[in-house]
Amino acid sequence: KAGVTQTPRYLIKTRGQQVTLSCSPISGHRSVSWYQQTPGQGLQFLFEYFSETQRNKGNFPGRFSGRQFSNSRSEMNVSTLELGDSALYLCASSLASGAGSTEAFFGQGTRLTVV
Amino acid sequence: AQSVTQLGSHVSVSEGALVLLRCNYSSSVPPYLFWYVQYPNQGLQLLLKYTSAATLVKGINGFEAEFKKSETSFHLTKPSAHMSDAAEYFCAVSPPGGGADGLTFGKGTHLIIQP
Repeated sequence: KAGVTQTPRYLIKTRGQQVTLSCSPISGHRSVSWYQQTPGQGLQFLFEYFSETQRNKGNFPGRFSGRQFSNSRSEMNVSTLELGDSALYLCASSLASGAGSTEAFFGQGTRLTVV
Repeated sequence: AQSVTQLGSHVSVSEGALVLLRCNYSSSVPPYLFWYVQYPNQGLQLLLKYTSAATLVKGINGFEAEFKKSETSFHLTKPSAHMSDAAEYFCAVSPPGGGADGLTFGKGTHLIIQP
C-alpha cells in the first residue's frame, strides 16, 4: 500500500512568487491536513480538507490556501512568497475527519526555500 | 485550547541506557495523545497513540508511553537505547475523536545516543 506522496520534494522560489505543493493521500483516505514546520515555530497546523471541503484552518494569513479534489488529492498554494515562508511543508492523510479518525500518516514533506 | 510541553529540547543518553522523553499536555477534556519520530529530511512516523483505552501504550521499536491524567503527562520511554533511535521526537495532542482541529505538537526533543 503506497504511503502519502508529496511533490515536489524540494523547491526554491523567489520572494513575491507563488507556489503550489501537491499531496496524494493513502488510497481510501479522505482527509488531508497540511502542516508547516520551521526551526523557530515548530510544527503548525495549516488546514484540513475532507471530501473537498476545508474543515478547519490554523492561524495563517490568507496567502495560504488549499483545495482538495474528488480523488482526495490535495494542493496547497502560497501566494506572494515571503522569506519567512521557507519551511518544510508536511501533508498528513487520515481515514476520516473528526470522530473515528485517530491516526495521521505523514508524507516526507516539501522543503520550500524562498530567496 | 490545547497545548503540549516537551521538557528538554535535547536529551543525550548512552547506548543501552534508558530513554525518557517528557511530555505534558493541557486540555479541558482528556485528549488523544501521540508520539511521532522524525528522522532527518523525512516526514513524521507514528510511534504510538493513546485514545482513552489502556493507559500504558506500547508502540513500535520498543517504545512505550504511560498516560497519567493526574499529572497530565504522557512520557515516552524505551528500556535500552539503540544508535538508530537518534532522531527528533514530537508529542502531539488532538481533541477526543481526533481530526478536524489538527494535531497540536510540542516543540520536539532531539534524542542523541552516545556510543
